[in-house]
Amino acid sequence: GMPVEQNPPALSLYEGADSGLRCNFSTTMKSVQWFQQNHRGRLITLFYLAQGTKENGRLKSTFNSKERYSTLHIKDAQLEDSGTYFCAAHNYAQGLTFGLGTRVSVFP
Amino acid sequence: EAAVTQSPRNKVAVTGGKVTLSCNQTNNHNNMYWYRQDTGHGLRLIHYSYGAGSTEKGDIPDGYKASRPSQENFSLILELATPSQTSVYFCASGEAFSNERLFFGHGTKLSVL
Repeated sequence: GMPVEQNPPALSLYEGADSGLRCNFSTTMKSVQWFQQNHRGRLITLFYLAQGTKENGRLKSTFNSKERYSTLHIKDAQLEDSGTYFCAAHNYAQGLTFGLGTRVSVFP
Repeated sequence: EAAVTQSPRNKVAVTGGKVTLSCNQTNNHNNMYWYRQDTGHGLRLIHYSYGAGSTEKGDIPDGYKASRPSQENFSLILELATPSQTSVYFCASGEAFSNERLFFGHGTKLSVL
């Protein structure tokens, strides 16, 4: 299967809602990054994790290398959170492998 | 914040023509990468480099060449462009191959007619 499986493919939220995205990995990964791609196509780095959990404002990400997954949690969703979110993982043999993305739409 | 600059931002090319996409980074990162982004495939690695003079094949190198003449510059070259190479191309840089954080440019939208 895909080395990086990202779910869900799409997510619709109302403003103020909380939700989560998940990436599962087929092999043990050394680190994971989460990106938001905005409406202009720009890739913005949200998190880089080699282990554990990081928070930044309303966003929180967790990486569990042993269990082969990472999550991104959006709290109190805002309109500017709309975009496509990618996880990308770095394994021991290759460079960064991207998931296919989650398209997030936040509605008022 | 790392600065990675791509040029051009948009390019229209004809089938069979030569296209060069340029990337410049000002953070003295050793590693640089070229990805393409297509619907249904996400971002896929074309070529990468460990430093000046080095180029390595990524996951989808066919039809592409790369050149790293200096620490700052990494070019992607399409010698004979084809319509299947119509895509959005992203350049990225990073400090070290292992456990590195990548910084991306704005992307180049290439259309091959």
